[in-house]
Amino acid sequence: GAVVSQHPSRVICKSGTSVKIECRSLDFQATTMFWYRQFPKKSLMLMATSNEGSKATYEQGVEKDKFLINHASLTLSTLTVTSAHPEDSSFYICSAGDGQGEQYFGPGTRLTVT
Amino acid sequence: AQSVTQPDIHITVSEGASLELRCNYSYGATPYLFWYVQSPGQGLQLLLKYFSGDTLVQGIKGFEAEFKRSQSSFNLRKPSVHWSDAAEYFCAVGAGGYQKVTFGTGTKLQVIP
Repeated sequence: GAVVSQHPSRVICKSGTSVKIECRSLDFQATTMFWYRQFPKKSLMLMATSNEGSKATYEQGVEKDKFLINHASLTLSTLTVTSAHPEDSSFYICSAGDGQGEQYFGPGTRLTVT
Repeated sequence: AQSVTQPDIHITVSEGASLELRCNYSYGATPYLFWYVQSPGQGLQLLLKYFSGDTLVQGIKGFEAEFKRSQSSFNLRKPSVHWSDAAEYFCAVGAGGYQKVTFGTGTKLQVIP
């Protein structure tokens, strides 16, 4: 089946720094990628939808200037958490749509901001 | 707005016993429904999905789910649970295909010997 990877799988950063998370579709072209955030013991919250070559569409309440999303190619989307704070610590999961109605999830990235 | 309710936060079953995880949804039109499983620290794996057609859907790992429009439910079942099924299970509803998928709060399954 199709594979979506995320890098890094875990990252610890200091408060005030920025962190970039990559999401790659390894064996298919992803016309649409989604970024989710999962709080401890909580469900997944859709943060934004990104289409290759265009600006991401953010969900209500998600700060687009804080969570920068770039979908520069059909196989890569990046999420940059700018000026990270401890409350940004979370599990971030991306998913990629193959344009055929299927969506595949990445393994997630655990972000810890100290 | 669409929503999903998973009323059971935590369920414990004995290995070999049957399992049913409940899911109720709210959506104005015909929903696209999904069940995902997440192992600790891992991403999500799709177990099964319902878009249309037969209301009893077969998935991977021996799971099945039944769409009941009258009850707005999409419960997940497995006749005999294995220890490896211990994980968190998420029900989700979409507005169309995989767009705007809304997840339930999850049910954590514990399997005891």
